[in-house]
Amino acid sequence: GAGVSQSPRYKVAKRGQDVALRCDPISGHVSLFWYQQALGQGPEFLTYFQNEAQLDKSGLPSDRFFAERPEGSVSTLKIQRTQQEDSAVYLCASTIGGGSYNEQFFGPGTRLTVL
Amino acid sequence: GQQVMQIPQYQHVQEGEDFTTYCNSSTTLSNIQWYKQRPGGHPVFLIQLVKSGEVKKQKRLTFQFGEAKKNSSLHITATQTTDVGTYFCAGPDNYGQNFVFGPGTRLSVLP
Repeated sequence: GAGVSQSPRYKVAKRGQDVALRCDPISGHVSLFWYQQALGQGPEFLTYFQNEAQLDKSGLPSDRFFAERPEGSVSTLKIQRTQQEDSAVYLCASTIGGGSYNEQFFGPGTRLTVL
Repeated sequence: GQQVMQIPQYQHVQEGEDFTTYCNSSTTLSNIQWYKQRPGGHPVFLIQLVKSGEVKKQKRLTFQFGEAKKNSSLHITATQTTDVGTYFCAGPDNYGQNFVFGPGTRLSVLP
């Protein structure tokens, strides 16, 4: 593909609903990151995959957040029982290799609004 | 935990003026990356610095990595309206598994 894609681009949820956000990384990219970006802030790390292995999930705010990448390509970030404080832009990024010396390619993000 | 700070938070300049943003990490970094995010857009990679004291240039942009590898700067010469956006620095955490982004410097350029 041409770049990282994310869907949906916008999601409005009522408080308490479950949501699932999808990320399609660049084909062949080994690593995948999820970030949460609040308005006017920098991206905050949520979790990191290398292929299908979730190597770091230290940034997930609570056990309501769950991410998976079962086949090492597409990833889904699921948020259960959404709360108003979950409202943010969720960014996905992929890199061609593992480790920290690779350029991150970001998707357009999913803007989640919890009412 | 590791913290990455940036100053200033906002900068308003007249077109043609220079601009500098500074990035400071609480820990030594193996490398540092800079990203630009246009209003309504997503972060786009600008550059990576790896060596102590490294200086890299991209047209009107000059990036520096401090000798102690704990700070970095981005300088833009003769700003243009196309430079508008938020500039983020980011460095790997202590374990190198994820990146810590600074809060960003938002640049406004008045024509």
